[in-house]
Amino acid sequence: DVKVTQSSRYLVKRTGEKVFLECVQDMDHENMFWYRQDPGLGLRLIYFSYDVKMKEKGDIPEGYSVSREKKERFSLILESASTNQTSMYLCASSGGTSSMSYEQYFGPGTRLTVT
Amino acid sequence: KQEVTQIPAALSVPEGENLVLNCSFTDSAIYNLQWFRQDPGKGLTSLLLIQSSQREQTSGRLNASLDKSSGRSTLYIAASQPGDSATYLCAVRVGVWDMRFGAGTRLTVKP
Repeated sequence: DVKVTQSSRYLVKRTGEKVFLECVQDMDHENMFWYRQDPGLGLRLIYFSYDVKMKEKGDIPEGYSVSREKKERFSLILESASTNQTSMYLCASSGGTSSMSYEQYFGPGTRLTVT
Repeated sequence: KQEVTQIPAALSVPEGENLVLNCSFTDSAIYNLQWFRQDPGKGLTSLLLIQSSQREQTSGRLNASLDKSSGRSTLYIAASQPGDSATYLCAVRVGVWDMRFGAGTRLTVKP
């Protein structure tokens, strides 16, 4: 079974803090994604990565950055957390050209509250 | 721009009923369609994936169909159980890395 893990289920941070959300997958997937999920807005893509050290902006990248130093790990960074970044953050991974599946597998989510 | 719509937004049924959840999308140029289940406060669990060349997929009591030309997919759940209560989301892949999600249908199965 594909397993995608996220470093924290719940996180409370103060405005202005630098926040790191970690995601690890164990299926040697090429692609990894960070989404945020908000009531009434659904899932929105923040950033994705299709290879080590490669990243692309999604629909709402402002206020976020990412890092992918190893294939299995994809980090989301909030450089200076703000209250409007309070949300559920979901990491996902998928196979790419090697599998031709592109089926996305999600982690359990991190509920981030910024006060 | 691809829009994905799920109707109804919420559904409540008695245990044992067969039910259908609907998903529609505006652009038929998709690579695949995926159905997910989400329990409250949790991540998404993949249920079924239908490639664009396929018409349906089955897993246990679940059957998903895809009609690309009309921009529609249905998720059929047979003999519903209280444990099926969750939010069900559909998503279409419109690019190599680009998926568009519906807002979900919140299902409650009453004992």
